[in-house]
Amino acid sequence: AQSVTQPDIHITVSEGASLELRCNYSYGATPYLFWYVQSPGQGLQLLLKYFSGDTLVQGIKGFEAEFKRSQSSFNLRKPTVHWSDAAEYFCAVGAYSGAGSYQLTFGKGTKLSVIP
Amino acid sequence: AAGVIQSPRHLIKEKRETATLKCYPIPRHDTVYWYQQGPGQDPQFLISFYEKMQSDKGSIPDRFSAQQFSDYHSELNMSSLELGDSALYFCASSLELAGGHYEQYFGPGTRLTVT
Repeated sequence: AQSVTQPDIHITVSEGASLELRCNYSYGATPYLFWYVQSPGQGLQLLLKYFSGDTLVQGIKGFEAEFKRSQSSFNLRKPTVHWSDAAEYFCAVGAYSGAGSYQLTFGKGTKLSVIP
Repeated sequence: AAGVIQSPRHLIKEKRETATLKCYPIPRHDTVYWYQQGPGQDPQFLISFYEKMQSDKGSIPDRFSAQQFSDYHSELNMSSLELGDSALYFCASSLELAGGHYEQYFGPGTRLTVT
């Protein structure tokens, strides 16, 4: 079965600083990997995804992530953090689970706080 | 762009009552998923439907059932509610893209509070 580990429960960065959120996955085949962001009490918004090909993927809001098979990692990065980036970030691995269905398994999430 | 619609957004029920949550997927999306997110937890997969047939089942209690209708909307029915069912329930929909790729788009969620 697939699993996702996000080692950092809570990260605090200063506005304008760079950001890296860590994600490690366990999956027997080539993984489909995703990053979602969730503001308090809100839904999950897809930031970016990796299926195959270029290991550096670009997403919305200036985020990018790099897939490293050798490290089973899919870390999320942003060069300059804005106060509006404060939210909870979930890494997920997707696995084919039946006709037309791809179940997502999420990590526990990393809460990002941004200080002025 | 159209998004996944969920109703109601908030629901308060008492123990042992029943609840029905509704989900309207993005037009042309053929798969619907239900997830449960407890307080401070990550979303947990409950069940999915593809072309109106149950496709996969996760950690869904026997007290819960779900179906997808001919117009592709889905309903999650929850009976004999327990305090532990209090959570945010998400619906997501997806469409398989070229090359077997896909994206799941999540609705805003229904916050269920059981008292």
